[in-house]
Amino acid sequence: QVQLVQSGAEVKKPGASVKVSCKASGYTFTGYYMHWVRQAPGLGLEWMGWINPNSGGTSYAQKFQGRVTMTRDTSISTAYMELSGLRSDDTAVYYCAKDAYGGDSGDFDYWGQGTLVTVPS
Amino acid sequence: QSALTQPRSVSGSPGQSVTISCTGTSSDVGGYNYVSWYQQHPGKAPKFMIYDVSKRRSGVPDRFSGSKSGNTASLTISGLQAEDEADYYCCSYAGSSTLLFGGGTKLTVL
Repeated sequence: QVQLVQSGAEVKKPGASVKVSCKASGYTFTGYYMHWVRQAPGLGLEWMGWINPNSGGTSYAQKFQGRVTMTRDTSISTAYMELSGLRSDDTAVYYCAKDAYGGDSGDFDYWGQGTLVTVPS
Repeated sequence: QSALTQPRSVSGSPGQSVTISCTGTSSDVGGYNYVSWYQQHPGKAPKFMIYDVSKRRSGVPDRFSGSKSGNTASLTISGLQAEDEADYYCCSYAGSSTLLFGGGTKLTVL
């Protein structure tokens, strides 16, 4: 069965960086884009970007351009999302989500359990 | 890019129908037939329900249906059940390999 298992919660100081991992199993990792979505406490979902695990190609939301980097290690079927220049309003649960149909359709059929990143003000 | 516009809350009694709207622009909702809907219960990851405006994911009850007119997509839930109480989010392709979520709608089953 498809599983996405994310790394544990993090507490970071303002200005620091955080790198969240997402280990995939149960399907061909390189066959489906991986997206990252975040959710601040009590607020809605926010799409951050995707990575094509096959080519390493990426697309980021304009809001995060210059601050986010998405990478992958195909040898261990793991995707990574690194966010730099952290601010208090980056405090959120960060999810990885597998694209259902291979590309950038926005159809996320499996989600990780979420990783809480806290940036105290 | 601003989030797609959804009502903050809707409510209905068991057995009734409710519709949740998702309004964007011609650059996102209106420009593509790539709107999806997600259900999220408190403390849980979102669940994929509808894709390509109106197609139900396998296993999703046919009480859930999607549609689109112009720049507004809609999710209709008929025969409301207590377990439908959750937050609902729309998501649209917005061109240039980017995606946009709606602000979310809290559904209360009275």
